[in-house]
Amino acid sequence: AQSVSQHNHHVILSEAASLELGCNYSYGGTVNLFWYVQYPGQHLQLLLKYFSGDPLVKGIKGFEAEFIKSKFSFNLRKPSVQWSDTAEYFCAVNARTNAGKSTFGDGTTLTVKP
Amino acid sequence: DVKVTQSSRYLVKRTGEKVFLECVQDMDHENMFWYRQDPGLGLRLIYFSYDVKMKEKGDIPEGYSVSREKKERFSLILESASTNQTSMYLCASRPGGEGGNQPQHFGDGTRLSIL
Repeated sequence: AQSVSQHNHHVILSEAASLELGCNYSYGGTVNLFWYVQYPGQHLQLLLKYFSGDPLVKGIKGFEAEFIKSKFSFNLRKPSVQWSDTAEYFCAVNARTNAGKSTFGDGTTLTVKP
Repeated sequence: DVKVTQSSRYLVKRTGEKVFLECVQDMDHENMFWYRQDPGLGLRLIYFSYDVKMKEKGDIPEGYSVSREKKERFSLILESASTNQTSMYLCASRPGGEGGNQPQHFGDGTRLSIL
């Protein structure tokens, strides 16, 4: 069975600090990887995705993530966070051989202090 | 832009009631999903459907059933509501693609309270 682990449950940063949120997955086959964000009071929306090609992917609002296959990791990064990045972030995995069934991590709540 | 509409933002029901949560998407997506979202537990997949009248159990299907009679509509049914089903319920849709390489589009959620 596939699983996703997000290491940080709650991260608090000051504006302009750098961000890295960890995500590791457990699945032996080929996967598609996603980061979603949920801003307060809003629905989940896609931040970025990886399914092939360059393992460094760029998303909206200056976020990027790197897929490291050997480490089963897909960590999210942003060099300088803003107050508006305060949100909950979810890593998700779709196993290609499992009808694309999605598994989400538990989420990381990011609070950015102005 | 894709629109996933859940019929209610807030719902209060009583223990033992049969509860229907409705979800409609307007982009002709093949795949649809129901999740529940609880603090510290992330999103847990209840059921998903990859085509009309097709359904597959997710990770926590007990106490739930689903119906997909039309492509645009995916209903979640709580057969006999219990207090431990109090939660936020999220519906999502996604185009059919190879191995799920397309992102999901989410509704605003239904916050369900069972008294």
